[in-house]
Amino acid sequence: DVKVTQSSRYLVKRTGEKVFLECVQDMDHENMFWYRQDPGLGLRLIYFSYDVKMKEKGDIPEGYSVSREKKERFSLILESASTNQTSMYLCASSFHISTGELFFGEGSRLTVL
Amino acid sequence: GENVEQHPSTLSVQEGDSAVIKCTYSDSASNYFPWYKQELGKGPQLIIDIRSNVGEKKDQRIAVTLNKTAKHFSLHITETQPEDSAVYFCAPLWGQNFVFGPGTRLSVLP
Repeated sequence: DVKVTQSSRYLVKRTGEKVFLECVQDMDHENMFWYRQDPGLGLRLIYFSYDVKMKEKGDIPEGYSVSREKKERFSLILESASTNQTSMYLCASSFHISTGELFFGEGSRLTVL
Repeated sequence: GENVEQHPSTLSVQEGDSAVIKCTYSDSASNYFPWYKQELGKGPQLIIDIRSNVGEKKDQRIAVTLNKTAKHFSLHITETQPEDSAVYFCAPLWGQNFVFGPGTRLSVLP
């Protein structure tokens, strides 16, 4: 069974802290994605990666960075967390960069105080 | 960029009735149109998709219809069941990425 695992379901951080969100997939997918989900706004793409050490900006990359050192792992980094980054973060992977099914993790709910 | 809307934003139906959710998009270049279902506490999951060379696709109780001229596609669920209660997202492909709609919360009342 395909699986995308996000390391933390719930996190509470303080403004200015550095935050790491980890995502691992076991499907040998080339492509991995980080989305942010907010009520009424759907899912918005932060960053994606189509290969190890490769990354592309999505629609809302400001305040975030990513790291992909291994094919199965894609990390989202908030260098200095702010309250407006309180949100649900969803990681996904796919075999094809476009037209392919996205497989999502269960999400990481981040609260920044 | 691509603008995606969904209607209605919330929908309540009696168990056994049908539900229809409509997704409108702005970029006529989109050619792949998936629907995702998100249950409480879980990530979205693909339930059905359609490509631009097809007008309708069915999979048991769910179907998707596409009207490329009018730039909208719809999710149809027949004989609704309590387990259909979830948030549904359309996500037309724009360029090499998907643009998700704001979501429709479907509640199936017993």
